[in-house]
Amino acid sequence: KQEVTQIPAALSVPEGENLVLNCSFTDSAIYNLQWFRQDPGKGLTSLLLIQSSQREQTSGRLNASLDKSSGRSTLYIAASQPGDSATYLCAVRFMNTGFQKLVFGTGTRLLVSP
Amino acid sequence: SAVISQKPSRDICQRGTSLTIQCQVDSQVTMMFWYRQQPGQSLTLIATANQGSEATYESGFVIDKFPISRPNLTFSTLTVSNMSPEDSSIYLCSVDNYSYNEQFFGPGTRLTVL
Repeated sequence: KQEVTQIPAALSVPEGENLVLNCSFTDSAIYNLQWFRQDPGKGLTSLLLIQSSQREQTSGRLNASLDKSSGRSTLYIAASQPGDSATYLCAVRFMNTGFQKLVFGTGTRLLVSP
Repeated sequence: SAVISQKPSRDICQRGTSLTIQCQVDSQVTMMFWYRQQPGQSLTLIATANQGSEATYESGFVIDKFPISRPNLTFSTLTVSNMSPEDSSIYLCSVDNYSYNEQFFGPGTRLTVL
């Protein structure tokens, strides 16, 4: 069964810190991996998409890496701000479950304090 | 990226009633997806809806409980039938950017069943 796990479940940091969120998945045969942000009670905002052939993607202060062989991805947030406070979700498109289906991790709830 | 809207944004319903959620996309898409996010949980795929054919349901979800319509390439509805408090969740509509297999989500419908 394809599963996605995120560690830590919650993280609290002071403003300005650099931080790393972790995502692990059980099967290295993937099409791609996507990181999302979700604000409380809201929908999902796509942050970064990494195709299976890529090692990393960057957008502004965000950098996501992918290591398929070890089943891991990390989301690095530089110089965190209170506006970064949200839940971050990792989602994987596994080859064995069909390219249409995203399997989501449990999320990391981030709080950045001023 | 696609712009997705959902109606209603939230609702409070009585046990035993049904609610239909609408999803509108600003461009034509082949597949639309419906997800459920129960309180404190991650997202779970309910079904995939293609225009002109019956929706494909994931394990644990059935058409009688979650009937879906897909009358054209920009619109879909999900009905939550014979509701119980366990159906209280956020329901999210999603579409796929077929070129990159990047998925985008609507703002969600927050449903509370009393």
